[in-house]
Amino acid sequence: AQRVTQPEKLLSVFKGAPVELKCNYSYSGSPELFWYVQYSRQRLQLLLRHISRESIKGFTADLNKGETSFHLKKPFAQEEDSAMYYCALKGSGGSYIPTFGRGTSLIVHP
Amino acid sequence: DTAVSQTPKYLVTQMGNDKSIKCEQNLGHDTMYWYKQDSKKFLKIMFSYNNKELIINETVPNRFSPKSPDKAHLNLHINSLELGDSAVYFCASSQAGQGLNTEAFFGQGTRLTVV
Repeated sequence: AQRVTQPEKLLSVFKGAPVELKCNYSYSGSPELFWYVQYSRQRLQLLLRHISRESIKGFTADLNKGETSFHLKKPFAQEEDSAMYYCALKGSGGSYIPTFGRGTSLIVHP
Repeated sequence: DTAVSQTPKYLVTQMGNDKSIKCEQNLGHDTMYWYKQDSKKFLKIMFSYNNKELIINETVPNRFSPKSPDKAHLNLHINSLELGDSAVYFCASSQAGQGLNTEAFFGQGTRLTVV
């Protein structure tokens, strides 16, 4: 079974502070990890994926297979980063259904 | 062009009614999904449909049923609506498998309120 854990329900920071949204996963095979963002009352949209090793809107995430983690980081938070962030996993083999964590609400105060 | 579109955006209905939510994708994806986002913002998979293979989350009541007239559409039918069905329902699509261009694209959501 595949599982994604986001331990923080809410993360509140001030503008300019560093941000780290935690994500841990459980999967026996070779997973693909994603971060999705949902701004207020909007659809979920892909923020970044581990295989691309990209930086989007200043966010980065590194897959750590030893710690089974895929934490999302940004050195300087902006107010417009306030949103709901979901970590997601796609497994290999017969089922590619994306499994999502519970989500972390990020609030960036001015 | 909207990649994944679902209608209606808002749906208010009485307990016991039967309703449908439509979903269409124009991305040429081979897999479509329905997710339920509850009041705590938990996002739970309900159904996955790929090449006429339906995968059902066993926790979903059988009052919920997906219907796929073709590869671009996956509609959600709900019978005998209950208060607990109130939530936001998201349709999504993707290519099956792993690798680049297999991420899921989401619709804008349907906010269902049962009164």
